[in-house]
Amino acid sequence: DGGITQSPKYLFRKEGQNVTLSCEQNLNHDAMYWYRQDPGQGLRLIYYSQIVNDFQKGDIAEGYSVSREKKESFPLTVTSAQKNPTAFYLCASSPDDHTGYNSPLHFGNGTRLTVT
Amino acid sequence: DQQVKQNSPSLSVQEGRISILNCDYTNSMFDYFLWYKKYPAEGPTFLISISSIKDKNEDGRFTVFLNKSAKHLSLHIVPSQPGDSAVYFCAAWVDSGYALNFGKGTSLLVTP
Repeated sequence: DGGITQSPKYLFRKEGQNVTLSCEQNLNHDAMYWYRQDPGQGLRLIYYSQIVNDFQKGDIAEGYSVSREKKESFPLTVTSAQKNPTAFYLCASSPDDHTGYNSPLHFGNGTRLTVT
Repeated sequence: DQQVKQNSPSLSVQEGRISILNCDYTNSMFDYFLWYKKYPAEGPTFLISISSIKDKNEDGRFTVFLNKSAKHLSLHIVPSQPGDSAVYFCAAWVDSGYALNFGKGTSLLVTP
C-alpha cells in the first residue's frame, strides 16, 4: 500500500530543544516537500527537494533544516532558532517537480508539534 | 504576499444543495489550479484540477470553473453531502515554479 508516512503524529518538546520530524514515502517519487499549517494561514512551504542530495529553501525556511540522503526519506529538523515552532507539519511528494495538472502532491497525515 | 486567496473562511450548506467555494489569484502566469480537501488531523487529498487553457473541468459531483479574465475560480459540489464537510484549499502552480501556492482554505459544513 503506497503512501507517505509521517511520524510521530503528535510530538511535544520543551523550548530550546531541536526536534526531527520523520517523513518516508514508498511511492518512488522524486520530489518531496515540507509544509507548515497554522490556523487561518493555509499551507506554507518550508523546504523542498527535487532529487536526492539536493534541497531548496521555501518561503519560511528560517529555523528549519532538512536532509535528503535517500529518495524515500526527507526528515525535517525544527531547531531552537525557529521562533514559533508549534504547528501542524505536512510532508508531501510528487512524481517530479512539475507538480500540477497530472501529478498533484500526495500528502502524509501530518505531525502536530507542540513546543512549550 | 498571498497570490492565491480564499476570502471566505467558512461556508455552511444544507445537504442536497449546491456548495460553491471561491478562489481568487493575482499571478496571471499560473498554469494549473488544484483543489484539495482536508479533514482535521489528516493531510490534504487531491480533489480536482484545471489547466489554465480550460474554463471547466468536471468529475462526478465536483466541477471547477475558471475565469481567467477575472482571475477567479470556483469549486461546485452538487449535491452536497455531510461527508463533504472539510476544509478546502485552492492551490495554483506555475510551470516554471517549484511548488504549489495555497490559499488559506475554506471550511465547508454540510448540515443534514
